[in-house]
Amino acid sequence: EAQVTQNPRYLITVTGKKLTVTCSQNMNHEYMSWYRQDPGLGLRQIYYSMNVEVTDKGDVPEGYKVSRKEKRNFPLILESPSPNQTSLYFCASTAGTAYNSPLHFGNGTRLTVT
Amino acid sequence: AQSVTQPDIHITVSEGASLELRCNYSYGATPYLFWYVQSPGQGLQLLLKYFSGDTLVQGIKGFEAEFKRSQSSFNLRKPSVHWSDAAEYFCAVGSPYSGGGADGLTFGKGTHLIIQP
Repeated sequence: EAQVTQNPRYLITVTGKKLTVTCSQNMNHEYMSWYRQDPGLGLRQIYYSMNVEVTDKGDVPEGYKVSRKEKRNFPLILESPSPNQTSLYFCASTAGTAYNSPLHFGNGTRLTVT
Repeated sequence: AQSVTQPDIHITVSEGASLELRCNYSYGATPYLFWYVQSPGQGLQLLLKYFSGDTLVQGIKGFEAEFKRSQSSFNLRKPSVHWSDAAEYFCAVGSPYSGGGADGLTFGKGTHLIIQP
């Protein structure tokens, strides 16, 4: 089954404790992206990647890192999480462009930073 | 820069009634337009998209949307809603001049649809 898998689904952590949210897709997609979803703000893009070893900042990259060492994986790293990073995070992928094929989303990771 | 506005944060509709969700965009030319749906606890799923041509586009789950250039709108409609349509709906706009990749879309803030029995 074609899917984007994020782990974990829920995560509670404390300020400053490094964490990684994993994202993996089994569709051989080139494009992958991370979004955060906050009430009243909708989805905002954090980082995206157009291919292996190619990443770029989205609209809200501060406080986040990503890597794309393999085509299927695109982890989101919070080196020193802060409470304002409490949010619902989504990973997404698409085959070529978001115009010719839809974005496939994972089921989300709800992060709470205390 | 492109932007998209969904004026309604919440909409309540009775089951079996018709539905229209509003979306207005800002862009210098004709953008690419999308509607996504997010069911509770799920990621987003593409309902339909408009690139060019016929301004009335059909999507999955019985939804349709109409592009109106004069009003800069791309409203989503369904003639008769079902309880399973309760979800969050996102309009998105993309620039035809961008690479069109995952960086190309700007999402609205979403409209929460509540279905009354």
